[in-house]
Amino acid sequence: QQPVQSPQAVILREGEDAVINCSSSKALYSVHWYRQKHGEAPVFLMILLKGGEQKGHEKISASFNEKKQQSSLYLTASQLSYSGTYFCGTVDNYGQNFVFGPGTRLSVLP
Amino acid sequence: DVKVTQSSRYLVKRTGEKVFLECVQDMDHENMFWYRQDPGLGLRLIYFSYDVKMKEKGDIPEGYSVSREKKERFSLILESASTNQTSMYLCASSLEPGAGANVLTFGAGSRLTVL
Repeated sequence: QQPVQSPQAVILREGEDAVINCSSSKALYSVHWYRQKHGEAPVFLMILLKGGEQKGHEKISASFNEKKQQSSLYLTASQLSYSGTYFCGTVDNYGQNFVFGPGTRLSVLP
Repeated sequence: DVKVTQSSRYLVKRTGEKVFLECVQDMDHENMFWYRQDPGLGLRLIYFSYDVKMKEKGDIPEGYSVSREKKERFSLILESASTNQTSMYLCASSLEPGAGANVLTFGAGSRLTVL
């Protein structure tokens, strides 16, 4: 079952922060985050495994609350290069069935 | 870096034509995948393969078939293209055996238009 992402789209000015949420109706083993810039292939950002860890990647970090079956991607002090569509992907508690969410389109304006 | 190459970036076909989409990866990955990307629906898995000559149906396999004769090559076949198969098709590969820690490397995509 496809996870739900919110918001569907967000527009920011350079330097502003954003949060993208991903939630599932099922227990999860892991959550994966990818970014796709316009006209390009999706690129892996990070994986969060069961255990509620928070991971960072430059000014982009994420958390995973396994009890709530939710993950959040945090973009701080956004840059123009952050523009793109962000997809979460979830893996069920059996470690199988990887499914992408519908995506969140992020636009960073100067 | 792993490279996943899709043979055609843009294709235009007629309804009923047979369509082949080719994908090649150069890092000896075991796993290969075909996704379809449509606005508002994200990426949906069509078929995947964990080994040569092995294939498994994904979430939306109807109207598609695949072939994996060599480890590095995974082909998506539309036996009789229909207008509702107009979409962006993305190939991916990964090294890890299970889905839990799977890191996908994607190709640039093939945009197919069926008239």
